[in-house]
Amino acid sequence: DTAVSQTPKYLVTQMGNDKSIKCEQNLGHDTMYWYKQDSKKFLKIMFSYNNKELIINETVPNRFSPKSPDKAHLNLHINSLELGDSAVYFCASSQGDRVNYGYTFGSGTRLTVV
Amino acid sequence: KNEVEQSPQNLTAQEGEFITINCSYSVGISALHWLQQHPGGGIVSLFMLSSGKKKHGRLIATINIQEKHSSLHITASHPRDSAVYICAVRGSNYKLTFGKGTLLTVNP
Repeated sequence: DTAVSQTPKYLVTQMGNDKSIKCEQNLGHDTMYWYKQDSKKFLKIMFSYNNKELIINETVPNRFSPKSPDKAHLNLHINSLELGDSAVYFCASSQGDRVNYGYTFGSGTRLTVV
Repeated sequence: KNEVEQSPQNLTAQEGEFITINCSYSVGISALHWLQQHPGGGIVSLFMLSSGKKKHGRLIATINIQEKHSSLHITASHPRDSAVYICAVRGSNYKLTFGKGTLLTVNP
């Protein structure tokens, strides 16, 4: 199936731990994104990579570090997890800056920090 | 004030009713997206518009660039249409800015 795949789907961890969320797309898209959806269901961009190059880096704590080993993968590593990091994280991809192309979202990773 | 405003925030309808969800934005955009998020959490892209009108099945999306306004219409609504509908605009960069969503509940 052609898709954006995120793992894990659920992640429960203690404060202070370091964790990673992985994202892979097999759509041949060259731009990938991480979005955070807070408890009020509001989505906000965190990062975007185009052909492995960081192009958007919103005001996100530097405990969050994206890594793109190739244009099909964009992983999110979070250090020293805090309670406020609890949210649903969505990965998405699109075909670069072509206005006529839409976005495809992964199914989300629900992160709970306890 | 959010750059993307949706109304209403919550909408309850009876099956068969015609639904309209509105989106206004305050920035210049290259495209506007309508997304659907079901209770299970997954997000699906419904439409991407830069002008005019698009139709897919019972869903219709329109945009007026001069007025910075878009509407999403659902004809003959059905309980399976119950979801959160999110408007998002794309500026000159790759970034999407989202509205806060409209929770639609369609009762049988």
